[in-house]
Amino acid sequence: EVQLQESGPGLVKPSQSLSLTCSVTGYSITSNYWGWIRKFPGNKMEWMGYISYSGSTSYNPSLKSRISITRDTSKNQFFLQLNSVTTEDTATYYCARSPRGYGWFAYWGQGTLVTVSS
Amino acid sequence: DIVLTQSPATLSVTPGESVSLSCRASQGISTSIHWYQQKSNESPRLLIKYASQSISGIPSRFSGSGSGTDFTLSINRVESEDFSVYYCQQSYSLPLTFGSGTKLEIK
Repeated sequence: EVQLQESGPGLVKPSQSLSLTCSVTGYSITSNYWGWIRKFPGNKMEWMGYISYSGSTSYNPSLKSRISITRDTSKNQFFLQLNSVTTEDTATYYCARSPRGYGWFAYWGQGTLVTVSS
Repeated sequence: DIVLTQSPATLSVTPGESVSLSCRASQGISTSIHWYQQKSNESPRLLIKYASQSISGIPSRFSGSGSGTDFTLSINRVESEDFSVYYCQQSYSLPLTFGSGTKLEIK
């Protein structure tokens, strides 16, 4: 069964970069689409972007200048980097799998809370 | 971006009641809507895909309907484990977007 697990710092200072890793077991990231989604305090959810089976990426335009999603197929991991964070980037970050770029998310990580604070 | 408006924001019901949750899209999206349940401190769980398609392992009391701009998630005879937040998500166009959620609470 596919499992996803996020990891990374729980606290990031304003203006710095947020970096998270999603480790995938039970399924190769060279198939399907692998996304990042975040949930803000107050329940709003935002799709941030994805990396495809081929390594192509698509990002939410609201983040396009700050976000990068990459991968390491040898470790079956993909990564999120969000630059120049502010307190408004405080959220629970999830990685998830979708069968297509325009799709739904059947498999999710457990989520990791990232707080942006000095 | 396609905006999804969920209503009501909060729904208070007694276990055993049947409920309908609404999701309205800002433009027509065919049946490209998916529903999730999220309990406190858990990840979202996919309940319904493409408006009405069932998901393996999800109880049959959950069903979905709608097309175009108006969609409904129905729960037949709510059970205690169903009290949580429900989200809709569209996959008609990028960026993918989510509704603001409906909280189902015990009356």
